[in-house]
Amino acid sequence: DVVMTQSPLSLSVTLGQPASISCKSSQSLVFSDGDTYLNWFHQRPGQSPRRLIYKVSNRDSGVPDRFSGSGSGTDFTLKISRVEAEDVGVFYCMHSIQWPWTFGQGTKVEIK
Amino acid sequence: EVQLLESGGHLVQPGGSLRLSCVASGFTFSSSGMSWVRQAPGKGLEWVSLFHNEHGDNSAHYADSVEGRFTISRDNSRNTLYLQMNSLRADDTAFYYCTKGRGDNWGQGTLVTVSS
Repeated sequence: DVVMTQSPLSLSVTLGQPASISCKSSQSLVFSDGDTYLNWFHQRPGQSPRRLIYKVSNRDSGVPDRFSGSGSGTDFTLKISRVEAEDVGVFYCMHSIQWPWTFGQGTKVEIK
Repeated sequence: EVQLLESGGHLVQPGGSLRLSCVASGFTFSSSGMSWVRQAPGKGLEWVSLFHNEHGDNSAHYADSVEGRFTISRDNSRNTLYLQMNSLRADDTAFYYCTKGRGDNWGQGTLVTVSS
């Protein structure tokens, strides 16, 4: 199975400041079609997860442009340019290159 | 607007069975891959089962933790995804979410509690 490792596991950020979350996979997430199947999700307390980013860097509809994804191969990053109060919760990376699809452990973001 | 509405979560005794349902709307259900993802209370996310529908693969997949006990199925005429869960164990206790594609959209979840 592909292991997804996130860091840090928790993050305390001042409103308006940037934040960055790393996600490393145990093998390359480049599929035979040339695409890289790495997604980012956000789960607010008491809510269902919501996908923010698909295929490394593509924002889903309605996702603010303060969220950006980057990376390649086995190394990926989610950046929040200016953290807002609604960003609290847990962020997960996830691969879907082969079964089983797996998530990282999650990074809990709180406001200082 | 895509909507996914799960139901069927319940308190069940160890060894018991349960069937979850997910009614979908707002997209072409029959041509979409669909999945079940679960989250134990206070824990992370686990992809439980996938009904794949792309790259020529129209097959069902299961996490090792549920293989042989859970069965995913779908009724395209009713736009409904199912998860039949047998031989339930305490560690199956979780919120179960229905998702479209590669997590494009999620339902609100249904809680399954396995306890005597």
